[in-house]
Amino acid sequence: DTAVSQTPKYLVTQMGNDKSIKCEQNLGHDTMYWYKQDSKKFLKIMFSYNNKELIINETVPNRFSPKSPDKAHLNLHINSLELGDSAVYFCASSSPEVPSNEQFFGPGTRLTVL
Amino acid sequence: DAKTTQPNSMESNEEEPVHLPCNHSTISGTDYIHWYRQLPSQGPEYVIHGLTSNVNNRMASLAIAEDRKSSTLILHRATLRDAAVYYCILRTPSYNTDKLIFGTGTRLQVFP
Repeated sequence: DTAVSQTPKYLVTQMGNDKSIKCEQNLGHDTMYWYKQDSKKFLKIMFSYNNKELIINETVPNRFSPKSPDKAHLNLHINSLELGDSAVYFCASSSPEVPSNEQFFGPGTRLTVL
Repeated sequence: DAKTTQPNSMESNEEEPVHLPCNHSTISGTDYIHWYRQLPSQGPEYVIHGLTSNVNNRMASLAIAEDRKSSTLILHRATLRDAAVYYCILRTPSYNTDKLIFGTGTRLQVFP
């Protein structure tokens, strides 16, 4: 079973559209994250949620709205997509009960805005 | 946020040991040193972490300098599958505000 899964794997869309990326983890973790990896491969955190509550918002534009319907899911909705939003988006989860406190990452969603 | 400095790239031959260095001169007393790697077209994966003492696990070893201002990730016998970008990250423990600050990492190439 995949620990952290994301859908879709690839997403190609036009500028101005609204799209969503979904993330699910079956690890029982309390904390989930969204990271963005741009074309230069620089990986940066966007948001983190703990028990469905927003904890970290790293000055991401308001067009990005994360939603956590339950502890196992953290979706990312993006309004009015721009060319600069093209990137790979990674979801991750963690738990302080895991001794290493490591974050488990999903396979990524490659978003291309035309 | 504390920063780390790593070489942009390194090369190794298969079956040879690899030592990946990382400098973190501004590390604070409570910061943990974490290493992640990102294989091509995959998400990052945890490799190892430590605080003060050297650490070993099934993937690698982590050697931490006595002053904690640098560390070295050691892959004892590189395989082709170890070709990846390796990130050295300082993590300040926090119950629910943990975040990983990724740098540019070291791209490791492994040759047959």
